[in-house]
Formats: sequence, C-alpha cells, structure tokens
Amino acid sequence: DAGVIQSPRHEVTEMGQEVTLRCKLISGHNSLFWYRQTMMRGLELLIYFNNNVPIDDSGMPEDRFSAKMPNASFSTLKIQPSEPRDSAVYFCASSSPRQLNTEAFFGQGTRLTVV
Amino acid sequence: GQSLEQPSEVTAVEGAIVQINCTYQTSGFYGLSWYQQHDGGAPTFLSYNGLDGLEETGRFSSFLSRSDSYGYLLLQELQMKDSASYFCAVRGPVNNNAGNMLTFGGGTRLMVKP
Repeated sequence: DAGVIQSPRHEVTEMGQEVTLRCKLISGHNSLFWYRQTMMRGLELLIYFNNNVPIDDSGMPEDRFSAKMPNASFSTLKIQPSEPRDSAVYFCASSSPRQLNTEAFFGQGTRLTVV
Repeated sequence: GQSLEQPSEVTAVEGAIVQINCTYQTSGFYGLSWYQQHDGGAPTFLSYNGLDGLEETGRFSSFLSRSDSYGYLLLQELQMKDSASYFCAVRGPVNNNAGNMLTFGGGTRLMVKP
C-alpha cells in the first residue's frame, strides 16, 4: 500500500477563494483524522471520522470549514471562503479498526498559504 | 476533554540520554502514544503504552503511570538524526464511537548537539 495520500502537497490561494484538500486512506482503515499544524497552535485535531461517520468535529474552527467522507477510502476538507489565518499545514491520518494501539498513519500534508 | 502538556524544547548532546515528559488530563483513554516529526515531515509513530510500565523499542523507551497521569519518552545513545519534535498523544475517550480519537500534546522540540 502506498500509505495515506494527500493532494495537493502545496496550495497558494487568494483570500476569499475556495480551497479543497484531498485525502486517500490506507485500504482497510476505518478511522480518519484531519489535523492542522501551525507554530503557534501545534497539531490541532479538526475532525474525526469512524466508519465514514463524523464522530467529533469540535475542532473545526468555524462554518467556513467542512469535511466529508463520500466513501470509505476518500475524504475532503473544504475551506470556503479562505482567509490568511487559515495558512497552515493540514494533515490527514488513518488507522485500523482492529486494535486500539494501532498507530495512526499520516499523509505528507498539504501546505496551504492564503494571501 | 483531553489535554496534554509537554516541555516545548529540550537540548542534549550526542550519545547522551534524554527524557521527555508528558502530563495529561483526560476523561478516560485507552493508551498513550508517542510520535516523532522531523522538520518538513509528517508525524510517525514511535511507541504505545496501553498498560502502566515501560515499553522498550531499541534506543527508545516509553513509560506510563495512569495513577500519576504521567508518561515519558526516553531516548538513549542520542544521535544527530534524533533532532526532531516529539509528541505524546492519547487515544480516547473510552466509548464505542470515539475510542480511536487521537489527541496530541503541543510537542517537544529536541535538539541534539555534537
């Protein structure tokens, strides 16, 4: 398996534009996490899905952010409209349902810059 | 909710031993994990403690004490390549749906000097 795949790796957009980040889970994994990382706030959990269902979205900053899992292997994180303060590295990670001590596998991240 | 505290920075010399502490407050959790992240990279899994005590994996060991709400990562025979950020994380809370949720501490930046 190629691991968790995120696209794009880098995104530069203008304030007010819509941004869509994509994530492909590892086959067989059923837990999906979206994180945002900045120097000031560290690794923040934005939303957690289990079996395609959003379980906890309390970390989603505001209504401008939305996340979906249209199927068991794919997720999107959308920001509309984007703002400069959304600039960060966004990671998705997946893990297996079989064991609670199973590691979470991270994608390489999407570095988002909103100008 | 879940919150975890770690020192922000630690500096050590090559060949030394360093301990990175993690204290936490949780509403229940399954275990404590540790992740490593090099600059520009993604977090990668190092170890997991589901039970109290010490887990050893090569040069790295991790410890958990649930009664003290405390854990640590011990790195021995430090190498320059160990310079990275280290995060503790908890899996929980304990319920059927959210048991896999993974919440991270703020991370500790380790600098290994020659």
